[in-house]
Amino acid sequence: AQSVTQLGSHVSVSEGALVLLRCNYSSSVPPYLFWYVQYPNQGLQLLLKYTSAATLVKGINGFEAEFKKSETSFHLTKPSAHMSDAAEYFCAVSEGGSYRPTFGRGTSLIVHP
Amino acid sequence: EAGVAQSPRYKIIEKRQSVAFWCNPISGHATLYWYQQILGQGPKLLIQFQNNGVVDDSQLPKDRFSAERLKGVDSTLKIQPAKLEDSAVYLCASSYPGTDYEQYFGPGTRLTVT
Repeated sequence: AQSVTQLGSHVSVSEGALVLLRCNYSSSVPPYLFWYVQYPNQGLQLLLKYTSAATLVKGINGFEAEFKKSETSFHLTKPSAHMSDAAEYFCAVSEGGSYRPTFGRGTSLIVHP
Repeated sequence: EAGVAQSPRYKIIEKRQSVAFWCNPISGHATLYWYQQILGQGPKLLIQFQNNGVVDDSQLPKDRFSAERLKGVDSTLKIQPAKLEDSAVYLCASSYPGTDYEQYFGPGTRLTVT
């Protein structure tokens, strides 16, 4: 069975600071991994995905994530936070090639001026 | 290009009543998904359609939930009868065939069951 753990329900950073949102996964087969962003009263938007190619994945809005099999992690980073990055972020895992995603509980990113 | 449309945006009903949600995917997107997102949790996939056929409904509570996509375009999700624990945001998403990971989400319908 697949599962996702997002460490920290809230992360607070100052504008211009590094953003690090943590995601650990469990999967019985090689996983596909995703990060989504959700702004208030909107649906989810795909930020980036890992589908067994390069382990360092670059996404939209300056975000990137690195797949580390030994640590079963897929942490999301951004070098410099913007106020517009404040949102809810979800990590998701899907086993293999069939898209049956399991989402984490989400991490709320708060950006202070 | 118009996005995924959902209606209504908000719905309040009493328990044991029935409710229906509507979704119109992006034009040309053959694959359509319904998700349930309970407050404080990530979305849970309820059902996936490919055109008008069901691909996966393993997490759909079939005793009270039903969904259809008769003409392979828009879709309706129904709950009958509703329970308090059905209070959630119901998200619809769509994608082109073969690009399941590139899903486009609608704004969702927020259901409150009292």
